[in-house]
Amino acid sequence: NAGVTQTPKFRVLKTGQSMTLLCAQDMNHEYMYWYRQDPGMGLRLIHYSVGEGTTAKGEVPDGYNVSRLKKQNFLLGLESAAPSQTSVYFCASSYEAGPSYEQYFGPGTRLTVT
Amino acid sequence: AQSVTQLDSHVSVSEGTPVLLRCNYSSSYSPSLFWYVQHPNKGLQLLLKYTSAATLVKGINGFEAEFKKSETSFHLTKPSAHMSDAAEYFCVVSSMEYGNKLVFGAGTILRVKS
Repeated sequence: NAGVTQTPKFRVLKTGQSMTLLCAQDMNHEYMYWYRQDPGMGLRLIHYSVGEGTTAKGEVPDGYNVSRLKKQNFLLGLESAAPSQTSVYFCASSYEAGPSYEQYFGPGTRLTVT
Repeated sequence: AQSVTQLDSHVSVSEGTPVLLRCNYSSSYSPSLFWYVQHPNKGLQLLLKYTSAATLVKGINGFEAEFKKSETSFHLTKPSAHMSDAAEYFCVVSSMEYGNKLVFGAGTILRVKS
């Protein structure tokens, strides 16, 4: 039982390049989330999904797209990377939404855009 | 209005002395409150949560927090710090006001001196 895994762990991109971050969970959770973490700002929600085939915008969605084609996977895409997207990205999952259901976090992906 | 305010960005204590990490929240609805810990280069781990049951909540590794509605506070404490407690700690609120999503504070970095 690996929990929540993220691929890759580190990446360096040039401005304008594209990439996809992969999140996988093996807990049969319905809900999945992508956050970014910036110094002094905590974690901010980018996009989330309430089930296979569904996605929704979070607090800071601009410049990102997501897809949830399979229940266990949640992909985060950057079509044209910008230096402002340099951050640490965390994926999380939960069985349901709401405070009674713990969100489980992956180890993070550190992305640098030059 | 800031939904979660962690009053100290850095706290430094000596090993064996008490730890106090302060958090104030704002919510028009009954909130759920959480503390998460992040060790260097790791994902986030849930320490404890308050979801309208007992106001004094005990978590893992000897940490506890008290929900004080009159003061809108949820401070995290531990009687005796251990070197392994050195990490970043996040206070998090969830309520209907925020769509039942997690809203993170900016984080407090705890340093433990030997």
